[in-house]
Amino acid sequence: SQKIEQNSEALNIQEGKTATLTCNYTNYSPAYLQWYRQDPGRGPVFLLLIRENEKEKRKERLKVTFDTTLKQSLFHITASQPADSATYLCALPPSGGYNKLIFGAGTRLAVHP
Amino acid sequence: DAGITQSPRHKVTETGTPVTLRCHQTENHRYMYWYRQDPGHGLRLIHYSYGVKDTDKGEVSDGYSVSRSKTEDFLLTLESATSSQTSVYFCAISDTGTVNTEAFFGQGTRLTVV
Repeated sequence: SQKIEQNSEALNIQEGKTATLTCNYTNYSPAYLQWYRQDPGRGPVFLLLIRENEKEKRKERLKVTFDTTLKQSLFHITASQPADSATYLCALPPSGGYNKLIFGAGTRLAVHP
Repeated sequence: DAGITQSPRHKVTETGTPVTLRCHQTENHRYMYWYRQDPGHGLRLIHYSYGVKDTDKGEVSDGYSVSRSKTEDFLLTLESATSSQTSVYFCAISDTGTVNTEAFFGQGTRLTVV
């Protein structure tokens, strides 16, 4: 069956360091992958989309990679700040479901001063 | 929040009662979705709509029904609420089918079934 896996354990890092979050998927061949940020008590907010033919995408301090051979996406936040503390979700369209999104459970990031 | 309003924001209801949650959008987006979010499970798709009166099931649709009579409104109904349906429910919208489709989420509805 199709599955998306994100590290369920919280990631704790020091301010200024680079945070790296992982999204692995199985039994998918997604045309794209998205990353969202979710703060407590709020809905997810879109951050980045990367297509299957793109290896890397950047937006300010954010960088996303997409390895369709490994079936993995890495999400990096450079020069992390306490304000980056949140849960980060990856999302993929399921096979045959171009306009639906299936989400991973998310990884909570805590950036400490 | 991209012109999406969910109502109510909080609700407590008794087991066996019907409950309807409403999602209203002002973006004129074609696609609308209902997700539930539970600890350890993340966001799971309940139902979605790809146009007025056009809906389809998601991965956890049992016990739920939806209706979309207007582009801007998408209703989620729990016919007979059960404690397992205690959750936070999110509505989302997205534009027509392009590779650049991103989803915009509402603020969520916290539903407690006692």
